Amino acid sequence: DTEVTQTPKHLVMGMTNKKSLKCEQHMGHRAMYWYKQKAKKPPELMFVYSYEKLSINESVPSRFSPECPNSSLLNLHLHALQPEDSALYLCASSQVVLRDPLHTQYFGPGTRLTVL
Amino acid sequence: SQQGEEDPQALSIQEGENATMNCSYKTSINNLQWYRQNSGRGLVHLILIRSNEREKHSGRLRVTLDTSKKSSSLLITASRAADTASYFCATVKGGSYIPTFGRGTSLIVHP
Repeated sequence: DTEVTQTPKHLVMGMTNKKSLKCEQHMGHRAMYWYKQKAKKPPELMFVYSYEKLSINESVPSRFSPECPNSSLLNLHLHALQPEDSALYLCASSQVVLRDPLHTQYFGPGTRLTVL
Repeated sequence: SQQGEEDPQALSIQEGENATMNCSYKTSINNLQWYRQNSGRGLVHLILIRSNEREKHSGRLRVTLDTSKKSSSLLITASRAADTASYFCATVKGGSYIPTFGRGTSLIVHP
């Protein structure tokens, strides 16, 4: 199974809502990532989890809260978002071998988020 | 921060023609990767080239790497309409495992 799944595919939320994005992989990868991508732009790294611990937070506002309950799951909790947060949110996973970084990322199909 | 800069930003060709995209970067790298993204979808890994390699092939794809010029190129031969997508290069610096993506090239292949 070389698939990363993300739910939901589309999400529309108001600025006062609380919602969560979910990501799952069963490839045994111990690094999982959240990216934000605006139209016609490259993915921007938000968070990296390595062995279920948050290892990188790219100065993301606190209205985005990541969670890694186990090695297969990654969540992104959303609260009090702004319209400018509307984007495609991509999850990815990869192996982690620190002295052998020849591991590619496997991406999910993304969640298209619209904040009204 | 973005490491790679793709060139051109957009490319429009006819089916059967070759498509060449270039990527330049600024700092030393461990490896460079190319990804494809169909509109509104996730990225798909195409090929990885190590810093000590100069050329790599995968099917209709040919990637070159010139570390002295800090540049790479992706050649798609005999393009098909299904190759229409955005193509991103991503660099991995020494001591890291996390790729940094460039701006991407939008390729349109007309049938």
